[in-house]
Amino acid sequence: DVQLVQSGAEVKKPGESLRISCEVSGYRLNKLWINWVRRMPGRGLELVGKIDPSDSYTNYNPSFEGHVSISVDTSINTAYLQWSSLKASDTAIYYCAAQDMATTPLEYWGQGTLVTVSS
Amino acid sequence: SYVLTQPPSVSVAPGKTARITCGGNNIGSKSVHWYQQTAGQAPILVISYDSDRPSGIPERFSGSNSGDTATLTVSRVEAGDEADYYCQIWDTTSDRVFGGGTRLTVL
Repeated sequence: DVQLVQSGAEVKKPGESLRISCEVSGYRLNKLWINWVRRMPGRGLELVGKIDPSDSYTNYNPSFEGHVSISVDTSINTAYLQWSSLKASDTAIYYCAAQDMATTPLEYWGQGTLVTVSS
Repeated sequence: SYVLTQPPSVSVAPGKTARITCGGNNIGSKSVHWYQQTAGQAPILVISYDSDRPSGIPERFSGSNSGDTATLTVSRVEAGDEADYYCQIWDTTSDRVFGGGTRLTVL
């Protein structure tokens, strides 16, 4: 079975940097696409972006492009979502979700990482 | 960009049938996937490719897609079905791949 295990909750201040992770087990990371999905308090799901670990090709939602960075380390079967300068509006739960190909359903989900940004 | 429109809420009594719609221009020409997110949990895929049910999803969950509307139907609704439901497509012209979500309340 494919399992996605995310890193733990984070509390940060505005302007700080952060990297959260998503470790894939039960399948080779480079055989999956990894998506990052945001759920802000009281809001619905939003796609942040996705990455093809086989060549590190990334595709970002324009609303997030330039503010976040998605990467992978295939040697440890782990994907990352990173911010260089957090804002209070980044406060949300972030999920990683895996699919077989770029346009297939999001079959596998991580448990979510709560990111709280507050001064 | 392509927009998916869902009703914010649907309420249904236990044992009855809930229908959650997802509207979009000629959505019947696209593949629609549905996700269930219960409180405090990660989303799970409940319907893929309009009407396919992944392994482990009860037969009470079904889907259809035609014209401008895709529909998720939950038959014989149970208290445990209370959740937020999202439709989703992949469309290269849109950055909004998810509908706004529908809160299903079991009365």
